[in-house]
Formats: sequence, structure tokens, C-alpha cells
Amino acid sequence: AQSVAQPEDQVNVAEGNPLTVKCTYSVSGNPYLFWYVQYPNRGLQFLLKYITGDNLVKGSYGFEAEFNKSQTSFHLKKPSALVSDSALYFCAVSLYTGNQFYFGTGTSLTVIP
Amino acid sequence: GAGVSQSPSNKVTEKGKDVELRCDPISGHTALYWYRQSLGQGLEFLIYFQGNSAPDKSGLPSDRFSAERTGGSVSTLTIQRTQQEDSAVYLCASSPRALPREQYFGPGTRLTVT
Repeated sequence: AQSVAQPEDQVNVAEGNPLTVKCTYSVSGNPYLFWYVQYPNRGLQFLLKYITGDNLVKGSYGFEAEFNKSQTSFHLKKPSALVSDSALYFCAVSLYTGNQFYFGTGTSLTVIP
Repeated sequence: GAGVSQSPSNKVTEKGKDVELRCDPISGHTALYWYRQSLGQGLEFLIYFQGNSAPDKSGLPSDRFSAERTGGSVSTLTIQRTQQEDSAVYLCASSPRALPREQYFGPGTRLTVT
């Protein structure tokens, strides 16, 4: 069975500090990996994706994520956090051959001014 | 261009009533997904449509839930005889045919069953 884990329900970081939101996955096959952000009372917005190639992918709003095949991880990072980054972040995985997306349970990020 | 739209944005209904939730995907997107997001939970996959193929209904939680997609575009999720545990935000997403199929989400419909 395919699954995605976000081990931290809540992450707090001071404004200006680097942030990391963790994601690990378990799939039987080659994965596509995604990060989405959800602001209060809004739908999910696409941030970035990993398909193949460079392990470090860059996305919207200065976010990036590093694909680590040996650790089956796809952590989201940003060098300098902004208060406006406070939101709910979801990691998702899809397979090359599949229809379904598997989402993690989400990590609530709070950036403290 | 226009994004995914959903209506209504909020729906309050009495237990036992039927409800219909609507999703208008991005024009040209062939794939359409429905998810349920309960408070404090992740996204629960409900159903997937791709073009004219038979939908993947493997995520529907009971036979009270059904969905259709007319003309390969607009989709309606119907919940019959609603129960309080159906209260959640129902999200619709669409994606283009080409891989990788990142999804574009609508704002959701918040369903409250009283």
C-alpha cells in the first residue's frame, strides 16, 4: 500500500529563520512527489513537484524541496521564513502508472514574528 | 484563466436529507478528483474521473455517496440520507491529462449536518 507520512503536526519557527517541513513516503514504484499549501478557508495550492532529475526542486514563494531516494523523503524547505508562510502544508505522492494521489495528514506551520 | 470552482461554498443540512455538491473544473482538464477533508485530518480520496473512462470509485465511504461527471466537465457529488459524520469540507481538484498530474483545487464546500 502507498502512504505518506508527515511526522510533525505542528512546526513553529521564528521569522527569518530557515524552516523545514518533513515528509516521508512509501510506494511500490517510482513516485511523483508534491507539496501543497492550504491557507485558512481556502483550497490547496500547488507549491512544487518532483518528477525526475535534480533532487532539489524549486517552487513557488521561495520554497524548495529535496528528494532523497535512499531515505524515501521529500522535505520542504525555505531559507528564511515569513509570517505569511503560516499555513497548513500537505505532502502528496502519486505513481507513474496510478490515478490516485496519497496525501499526508498535513503540518501546520506557524512563523512567529 | 478561471480556476476550479465549487458550489455552494457552505451547506447546512438536516440529518437524513440529500445534498448535491457541484464542481466546475478548469477548462481542458480531463481528470477530476473529489476529496473529503475532516477537521484535523488529511485529505481522504473519494472518487476520480478521467475522460470517458469508468470512474475510480474506490474511495467512496458508503453507497450513500455517488458522483457523476457530465460531458467530461462539470461534476456533482451527491450524498444521500446525510449523517453527522458526513460533516466535512469537500474538495474538488482537476488536472491535465499529461503526466505529472499536479492537481488544481477548488475552494471547497463546507458541509455541516445538524
